[in-house]
Amino acid sequence: GAVVSQHPSWVICKSGTSVKIECRSLDFQATTMFWYRQFPKQSLMLMATSNEGSKATYEQGVEKDKFLINHASLTLSTLTVTSAHPEDSSFYICSAREWGKGGTEAFFGQGTRLTVV
Amino acid sequence: EDQVTQSPEALRLQEGESSSLNCSYTVSGLRGLFWYRQDPGKGPEFLFTLYSAGEEKEKERLKATLTKKESFLHITAPKPEDSATYLCAVLGNTPLVFGKGTRLSVIA
Repeated sequence: GAVVSQHPSWVICKSGTSVKIECRSLDFQATTMFWYRQFPKQSLMLMATSNEGSKATYEQGVEKDKFLINHASLTLSTLTVTSAHPEDSSFYICSAREWGKGGTEAFFGQGTRLTVV
Repeated sequence: EDQVTQSPEALRLQEGESSSLNCSYTVSGLRGLFWYRQDPGKGPEFLFTLYSAGEEKEKERLKATLTKKESFLHITAPKPEDSATYLCAVLGNTPLVFGKGTRLSVIA
């Protein structure tokens, strides 16, 4: 299957600082990538859809000024958590969809554990 | 609104004891049903995509089936390394909607 690489895998930051998470599709081009957030023992919750060359589409309740998304190229999307607070501590996961072969398959990055202290 | 419900929430099996995980869904215009395996602290690992009722896919000890209302993930003679959380997701007219998962523990 296709490979999606996410970096870093974990990060600890101080309250009030910003953190950038990268998501790359390594062996395919992804015009659309997705960012999820997952709390312990909970399902993945979609935060936003990242579109190459245009603005991201945010889900209801997600602050677009706090979670900045940039889809700079067909293989790279970034999520920046601005002015992070302890309640932003969570597991963030990106995914990209590979189209073709009569259907669609969605592949996920390894996830980033963010801890805000 | 698309919805996915997985059961049971947790399942404990002896090694070799076969069982099935359930994923019930409601979706407007199913474009795909996905099964993933997620280990603690890791992102979901793709297992299968099913597109239409009656479709089945197999991979090693896992077999996924699909009806118009639910999907099953059958695990045959599981091993301890099959222990993980198994997630089901549907793709309709909105982005992927996930269930809460089934935490599977296989005891040697």
